[in-house]
Amino acid sequence: KQEVTQIPAALSVPEGENLVLNCSFTDSAIYNLQWFRQDPGKGLTSLLLIQSSQREQTSGRLNASLDKSSGRSTLYIAASQPGDSATYLCAVNSGYSTLTFGKGTMLLVSP
Amino acid sequence: SQTIHQWPATLVQPVGSPLSLECTVEGTSNPNLYWYRQAAGRGLQLLFYSVGIGQISSEVPQNLSASRPQDRQFILSSKKLLLSDSGFYLCAWSVSWDRGRQTKGGLYGYTFGSGTRLTVV
Repeated sequence: KQEVTQIPAALSVPEGENLVLNCSFTDSAIYNLQWFRQDPGKGLTSLLLIQSSQREQTSGRLNASLDKSSGRSTLYIAASQPGDSATYLCAVNSGYSTLTFGKGTMLLVSP
Repeated sequence: SQTIHQWPATLVQPVGSPLSLECTVEGTSNPNLYWYRQAAGRGLQLLFYSVGIGQISSEVPQNLSASRPQDRQFILSSKKLLLSDSGFYLCAWSVSWDRGRQTKGGLYGYTFGSGTRLTVV
């Protein structure tokens, strides 16, 4: 059974810092990995999708990497802003109907 | 472009009352559809998924049921709500998987609706 772990559970940084969120998964047989953002009381917004054959994906100040063999992914946020404050969720797609989520990293960026 | 609609946004229901949450997808056909529940401190849990009209798979035994009466409509129901049914319910869709061609589905991610906050009192 796939298990996804996100570290840290919470993170508080001052505005402007670069930061890294970590995601690890137990079964390396995945099709893709997706990073989501969730604002309080809201749905999930997809940030980046990395296919199993890819090493990284970039969107603006966000960069996600994937090391499938070691079961790890990182989400790098450059020059953090208060608007980046949210919970970030990592989800692993292991096939047909199985998208397994981590419990998320709650990020607070203070001005 | 594809959009997913979920309603209502919030719902407060007494214990023992029925439930019906609806989700519809526009701009695609034959999607895979999913219902997730997010409980405080427990992460996202897959409740049901559907690969076609009338085809429902349940991931966990519970007080809830799901139906797919139309290709792009997914409904979550309960006949009698329990306090433990409280939570944040999310509908999602993804490109359909074809048996034997699962790599196609791997090229696409999941898209989530805006969620329904259900409080059972």
